[in-house]
Amino acid sequence: NAGVTQTPKFRVLKTGQSMTLLCAQDMNHEYMYWYRQDPGMGLRLIHYSVGEGTTAKGEVPDGYNVSRLKKQNFLLGLESAAPSQTSVYFCASSDTGELFFGEGSRLTVL
Amino acid sequence: KQEVTQIPAALSVPEGENLVLNCSFTDSAIYNLQWFRQDPGKGLTSLLLIQSSQREQTSGRLNASLDKSSGRSTLYIAASQPGDSATYLCAVPTSGTYKYIFGTGTRLKVLA
Repeated sequence: NAGVTQTPKFRVLKTGQSMTLLCAQDMNHEYMYWYRQDPGMGLRLIHYSVGEGTTAKGEVPDGYNVSRLKKQNFLLGLESAAPSQTSVYFCASSDTGELFFGEGSRLTVL
Repeated sequence: KQEVTQIPAALSVPEGENLVLNCSFTDSAIYNLQWFRQDPGKGLTSLLLIQSSQREQTSGRLNASLDKSSGRSTLYIAASQPGDSATYLCAVPTSGTYKYIFGTGTRLKVLA
């Protein structure tokens, strides 16, 4: 009964380092999303995917890359982390229109 | 481009009061709208999903309505309790896509 699982939950990076956030869903959903949440800004869509092998840009895609090689997984990569990417990242999936969210990944870039 | 606004940004009410949270959107060609609750430091919990063919959806003390023509949805909370204290967010898809845009939320505090 896992739903949407995000790893890692917490991470601290230095400026310029790279990392990958993993989102896994076990509901066989077609659509997957990566959002970031910052104080006073609400949730903003970074990238999303409408099916295996597809990705598309959201509202704030710069500095991030994504891949959806398997239907159940959606990876978010930071090639060269910047302090402006300090945020809480949420993954979501959907099929019939209802969004299901993971618990979030808190990333700090020093 | 879909834009979503939630008013008020913050609300403080005494326990037992009925209250209404508002969500406005600019592109009315949507097929659904979803309301979420978020507790501090936590993820998002889905409360209600309203399909475009529906005008209302109810779950316990919560009732959400959708008026596509006016670009508005309201979340009604009956007999509020301190446990209802949280941030409430609405999410709306951009026209013709499954790309969901969120409002900035209403931070609710229910006083005992």
